[in-house]
Amino acid sequence: EAGVAQSPRYKIIEKRQSVAFWCNPISGHATLYWYQQILGQGPKLLIQFQNNGVVDDSQLPKDRFSAERLKGVDSTLKIQPAKLEDSAVYLCASSLGSGYTFGSGTRLTVV
Amino acid sequence: GENVEQHPSTLSVQEGDSAVIKCTYSDSASNYFPWYKQELGKRPQLIIDIRSNVGEKKDQRIAVTLNKTAKHFSLHITETQPEDSAVYFCAASIDGTPLVFGKGTRLSVIA
Repeated sequence: EAGVAQSPRYKIIEKRQSVAFWCNPISGHATLYWYQQILGQGPKLLIQFQNNGVVDDSQLPKDRFSAERLKGVDSTLKIQPAKLEDSAVYLCASSLGSGYTFGSGTRLTVV
Repeated sequence: GENVEQHPSTLSVQEGDSAVIKCTYSDSASNYFPWYKQELGKRPQLIIDIRSNVGEKKDQRIAVTLNKTAKHFSLHITETQPEDSAVYFCAASIDGTPLVFGKGTRLSVIA
């Protein structure tokens, strides 16, 4: 089966700029997650979608981060404006049940 | 919410020796415990998981044990090989809720 697709792979932006990441989950996977992985740490949940509805966004910094999953398939995560501390790998994952399949991630560097 | 602690943060073993990584969790309702392997610059990949109704699970050289009373679970890798070198993450969740990850263990297998 095709995996979880993410783009871009790398992004460098200046602080206060905006950036968007895209994720295409495995076909048929109803649940989609965005995680932030700061260098040397474990992934930290940003948001969980079930189909096109938000299930858990309690850890999403809503003053600067937003996410949507239109039509219950692809998802985009946006940061506006970016801060230096947003430098991290942004991982998308999808699942049918408990096990996740992760995408390759987008490495964001904010300078 | 759930909190997962992982130890050690780094581990070096000689090729052929065993490696053990330990995690503790805080929420006694958690019932799903996966382990992920992340090679440098790559996505986390599920290597083994266990549910709370099972005390131990094995898959070739990898095994996971769970002690629900003590709220801890461990990953055991026997006959380690250089290709086992990676960062390993434990995680915990209640079915339907997002995984909470530990901070990771960097395993180095020395040939």
